[in-house]
Amino acid sequence: DGGITQSPKYLFRKEGQNVTLSCEQNLNHDAMYWYRQDPGQGLRLIYYSQIVNDFQKGDIAEGYSVSREKKESFPLTVTSAQKNPTAFYLCASSTTVATNEKLFFGSGTQLSVL
Amino acid sequence: KNEVEQSPQNLTAQEGEFITINCSYSVGISALHWLQQHPGGGIVSLFMLSSGKKKHGRLIATINIQEKHSSLHITASHPRDSAVYICAVKARGAGSYQLTFGKGTKLSVIP
Repeated sequence: DGGITQSPKYLFRKEGQNVTLSCEQNLNHDAMYWYRQDPGQGLRLIYYSQIVNDFQKGDIAEGYSVSREKKESFPLTVTSAQKNPTAFYLCASSTTVATNEKLFFGSGTQLSVL
Repeated sequence: KNEVEQSPQNLTAQEGEFITINCSYSVGISALHWLQQHPGGGIVSLFMLSSGKKKHGRLIATINIQEKHSSLHITASHPRDSAVYICAVKARGAGSYQLTFGKGTKLSVIP
């Protein structure tokens, strides 16, 4: 079955530590996205990528970094510069970013600070 | 700035009841999405619509472009419908990455 796999389901970060969240898709989608979800708030876009080796900042990119070396993979690194990283992180993909496209989401990663 | 408001924030229903969740937005849009977030956190896309009405099983989504309003209806609700329902809109001319999300409506269906 095609879909998006996020790992791990739960992740804990210590002060000053960088952590990386994995996102893999086998839908052959060009576009991939990272969203952050906080309680009582709508999803907010962190980064998106339209194609391999290209990515763009979203609304809340500070303290995060991404890479897109392969079409299937779009890992998100939460750096020590992100002072409030505790949140639920969702990865998504779509065929392209240019038109009205259905989004496919992963099951999410809950990141907490120790 | 595009605002997306959902109502109600929380909804509790008895099994079998007809349910309506509302979404209002403030700018012209090219597409509106209804999403379902399960208790485990994963999100499933239910509908994407730009006009009229769509139906899938017991779920019906409608949109009124002039009034900037959409509704999600669930007929014969069941406990497995318990989830958070999220409305998201794409402003006219925007890319798919430029979605504005509502805060969600948490639905609990009691047997």
